[in-house]
Amino acid sequence: TQLLEQSPQFLSIQEGENLTVYCNSSSVFSSLQWYRQEPGEGPVLLVTVVTGGEVKKLKRLTFQFGDARKDSSLHITAAQPGDTGLYLCAGVNNDMRFGAGTRLTVKP
Amino acid sequence: KAGVTQTPRYLIKTRGQQVTLSCSPISGHRSVSWYQQTPGQGLQFLFEYFSETQRNKGNFPGRFSGRQFSNSRSEMNVSTLELGDSALYLCASSLGGAGVIGYTFGSGTRLTVV
Repeated sequence: TQLLEQSPQFLSIQEGENLTVYCNSSSVFSSLQWYRQEPGEGPVLLVTVVTGGEVKKLKRLTFQFGDARKDSSLHITAAQPGDTGLYLCAGVNNDMRFGAGTRLTVKP
Repeated sequence: KAGVTQTPRYLIKTRGQQVTLSCSPISGHRSVSWYQQTPGQGLQFLFEYFSETQRNKGNFPGRFSGRQFSNSRSEMNVSTLELGDSALYLCASSLGGAGVIGYTFGSGTRLTVV
């Protein structure tokens, strides 16, 4: 059983569409991080959220940390083919544990 | 600055053998964590080393071990390999832990056990 549940597992959309990826847990985290991984490479950090209710924006990506610091969401506006990849959330306490990931494909 | 370097990139081993993987963290980073990534289980935490001491450990059998040297380079060893150990092994480094700054990952070592 994963400590962090991500949904959906797979997402295939057309360029220009919006999407939201969810990361849920029954555990409270001191912080939560989002990574993106491309084939053959390690994950790359996108953002860290620390405060309950925090919202961070990174160009077309919006990240939100739940008020109780148990869940998070990633919203992408006007998705582009370059957004294709595996999106991973990771909860941090004494160590860092990952969700199973959402595999996003954006078709031109 | 140089990133996290993992060697080798690819490895094929036979069941029952042992293997050692290496990770050189970013200069100045003292924390190194190891993860196993498989299609079915995702990224699973193996262990974290900080200043040559194992600080945290995941739920893996004793066949999986690691160590960290005084220059922060780390190795992980898997003994008596099983087919299920086939995976991408990722190393991540940070200044002092996951914290707020996050990890920098290497490109991984893909281990295939036949």
